[in-house]
Amino acid sequence: EVKLLESGGGLVQPGGSLRLSCAASGFTFSGYAMSWVRQAPGKGLEWVSGINDAGGSTYYGDSVKGRFTISRDNSKYTLSLQMDNLRAEDSAVYYCATHPFALWWGQGTLVTVSS
Amino acid sequence: EIVLTQSPGTLSLSPGERATLSCRASQSVSGSYLAWYQQKPGQTPRLLIYATSTRATGIPDRFSGSGSGTDFTLTINRLEPEDFALYYCQQYLRSPITFGQGTRLEIK
Repeated sequence: EVKLLESGGGLVQPGGSLRLSCAASGFTFSGYAMSWVRQAPGKGLEWVSGINDAGGSTYYGDSVKGRFTISRDNSKYTLSLQMDNLRAEDSAVYYCATHPFALWWGQGTLVTVSS
Repeated sequence: EIVLTQSPGTLSLSPGERATLSCRASQSVSGSYLAWYQQKPGQTPRLLIYATSTRATGIPDRFSGSGSGTDFTLTINRLEPEDFALYYCQQYLRSPITFGQGTRLEIK
């Protein structure tokens, strides 16, 4: 059974940092490109960032470019998202998913940016 | 970036009817790099269709996708009660990947 389990969300002040992780299991992680997709409360889906299967190529949405960094450790079946200089508009549920289309999704982790 | 506009915003239909959801792109999505997702309240989105018309594993054949260029359609035949939900289209031709704003399918 495929599982994607996000962690690391929480409450952070504007300008702060947070690191999200996604633990993958049930499939050959190194064979899939991966993404982070977010959804603000009551809003639609927004693609945030993607990374290829080997980790050598990364992609970012304009709203997070220069502030967020995606990475992966294929030996540990883990996807990460380092989020710096967080803003109120980054508040959302963050999902880990396959890339470029989301064949599988995690359950999400909530990030709240507020003072 | 490629902007996706979904219509209608809300579609009110009865079980047994056919739903036709539209997704229009601001630029051609060549190569059929378009997907559709379903999301129910409080749940994670679920992939329905990828490559414009290929059903994901386990998706009933009453769901079908079609289209090309800038105009794409998700059709749901013989609506079941569990089909009433929010639907999103997504293009993955070009970065940044973008989603439409969604169409809410509600029971009439």
